[in-house]
Amino acid sequence: SAVISQKPSRDICQRGTSLTIQCQVDSQVTMMFWYRQQPGQSLTLIATANQGSEATYESGFVIDKFPISRPNLTFSTLTVSNMSPEDSSIYLCSGADRSTDTQYFGPGTRLTVL
Amino acid sequence: SQKIEQNSEALNIQEGKTATLTCNYTNYSPAYLQWYRQDPGRGPVFLLLIRENEKEKRKERLKVTFDTTLKQSLFHITASQPADSATYLCALVMDSNYQLIWGAGTKLIIKP
Repeated sequence: SAVISQKPSRDICQRGTSLTIQCQVDSQVTMMFWYRQQPGQSLTLIATANQGSEATYESGFVIDKFPISRPNLTFSTLTVSNMSPEDSSIYLCSGADRSTDTQYFGPGTRLTVL
Repeated sequence: SQKIEQNSEALNIQEGKTATLTCNYTNYSPAYLQWYRQDPGRGPVFLLLIRENEKEKRKERLKVTFDTTLKQSLFHITASQPADSATYLCALVMDSNYQLIWGAGTKLIIKP
């Protein structure tokens, strides 16, 4: 199995600023994903983080707002840019092990935008 | 339209009984289905995977069934314990791109 860490675990930010969330996996995973989850709601996929190339974004999410990097197999970052209160949510990183068809999740980053 | 439905209301079960959670989907043809557990303030934790050609899967006190005709999966916890209290999420995996499509989850409360 993979252990995934994220930082920061939570942050309170001002409107118009940006926050970068880091995700570290302790072993190589074939795919990494970024999700957003509102309290009591389902997970919404933001994008698939591709190693060494541009992320693949889902409908409703764009690179200018959520730039993502994945410089190697075990590390990725998500930036939430020009934040507004609507961006307040929990952001989750996951890694997929295709050999077991399992996704492992980080503990999440709780973001509050004032 | 495509959707995944799980009971939105919390499920209250007496300790020791079997808890059964339902995941229904429409207009999808998943390759397989997964169940995850999520505790408050934490990311989901993988529990079980069942493929389209499998009817049932077991792991300790957990059992999952998958009926592709009814487009339904049932998740059972036998001899339930208060520590089983959590939100349980089902997720469909469609194909090789490995994206998960998530249900909203059902909150399970096991009462002592």
